[in-house]
Order: sequence, then C-alpha cells, then structure tokens
Amino acid sequence: QAQLVESGGGVVQSGRSLRLSCAASGFTFTSFAMHWVRQAPGKGLEWVAVTPYDGSSQYYADSVKDRFTISRDNSRDRVFLQVNNVRPDDRGVYYCARAAATGGSHLDVWGKGTTVTVSS
Amino acid sequence: EIVLTQSPGTLSLSPGERATLSCRVSQSVNSIYLAWYRQKPGQAPCLLVYGSSNRATGIPDRFTGSGSGTDFTLTISRLEPEDSAVYYCQLYDSSPTWTFGSSPTWTFGQGTKVEIK
Repeated sequence: QAQLVESGGGVVQSGRSLRLSCAASGFTFTSFAMHWVRQAPGKGLEWVAVTPYDGSSQYYADSVKDRFTISRDNSRDRVFLQVNNVRPDDRGVYYCARAAATGGSHLDVWGKGTTVTVSS
Repeated sequence: EIVLTQSPGTLSLSPGERATLSCRVSQSVNSIYLAWYRQKPGQAPCLLVYGSSNRATGIPDRFTGSGSGTDFTLTISRLEPEDSAVYYCQLYDSSPTWTFGSSPTWTFGQGTKVEIK
C-alpha cells in the first residue's frame, strides 16, 4: 500500500540549514502532487508547501516562502524540503503527505513525520 | 485570507454518545474543497472525509460530514474509546488547475479535541 517515510530531522542550530527527505513507495509517485505539513509541539497542523506531480512549480505558506524550498526527484520517488536560516519557531514535526488524485484538494496519505529541534 | 474556526475546542463525551464538531469558514466556499482529518495522540493525521461529505477509504459510517457555504460539520455517532483524538478541518482555497498564476493554499482549522470519558 502507499507509504511515505520522512527523514532528515534532528537537532539544528538556529540560523543553519537542513534538508528533509520523504521516500514514497507503493504508488505511482509521478502521478501525484506532494505536500509538507508541520506541527509545532502541542499545536495544530500548518500547511507548508506543495509541488505538483512534475515538480514544475512550487507553492508555499506565507510564513515560510522566503526560507523554504520544496523539490522532488521523480527518478528516486522522493520529495524534499530545504529549510534555510532555521528559526526557533521552525521546531516541530514535519509531515510529508500525498495530494489525492481526485482534484488534489485533500491529503490522503501521510508519513509518520520527522522531528526538528532547534537549538540556540 | 480564509480562516477556519473550529468549535468547540474540547468535547468530552461518553461511549455511545454522538459528537458534533463544527468548522466555520470566514467566507463562502465550494464544499468540494473541505476535508476532515483525525489525529490520534503520537500519530500522523489520517483523512476521514473529503468533499465535505465523502468518507475516505476504510472510514466507518459512524463518521458523517455535512455542510455548505461557511458552515461544515463532522458528526461521529456511537462514540467509541478509539475515537479519542484531535479532529481538524481543512480547506483548499484556490483553483486546482495550477495554470493560471494563482497561488493555491491549504488551510487547517485549529482542531477540536474529542475526549471519551
């Protein structure tokens, strides 16, 4: 069945960069847009970014658009999130999620998430 | 900017009771773009309902989504202990076509916590 596995989280110093990765399996990766969603500790879900099936464009939440970059490698069934100039409020769990094939308005498969901790 | 407001913040009910969760949108929207998710403690979110009233694969018929315009509801009938979770509504608020220079965004409500006594 469809599965997403995130990696790349950990402890990062404020101001540094990190790259999160999400490996997809069990479905035709090249047919689906892919998202990143994050969740600060004890808080709700915040949509971060999306890229369509072919990686031809990228869209971001206003809160991250100047520092985050979403990309994908369709030859490796992976989607990435580059986070530059990490800030304390970037800490939390980052989820990779698949956009549903039916219109892409909702997210029908989620990974378990990777946790980012920011040190000063 | 569209805002989704969920109420109540917390719902505490007994097994077998009915839960009614509200999601109010700051402007009238197309109901096909409204979805609901469940997030159990320590787990990733899981899609429950999409298009405001369509259950996702494997979701039991105890979960019913409804609504239109600015007011949407998720009803959980016959609550079970496993329904303890935070429930989020989510809206897609732009054209899905990717081709007209618009900036699509996906917005979540702040969540409703359902506690089973």
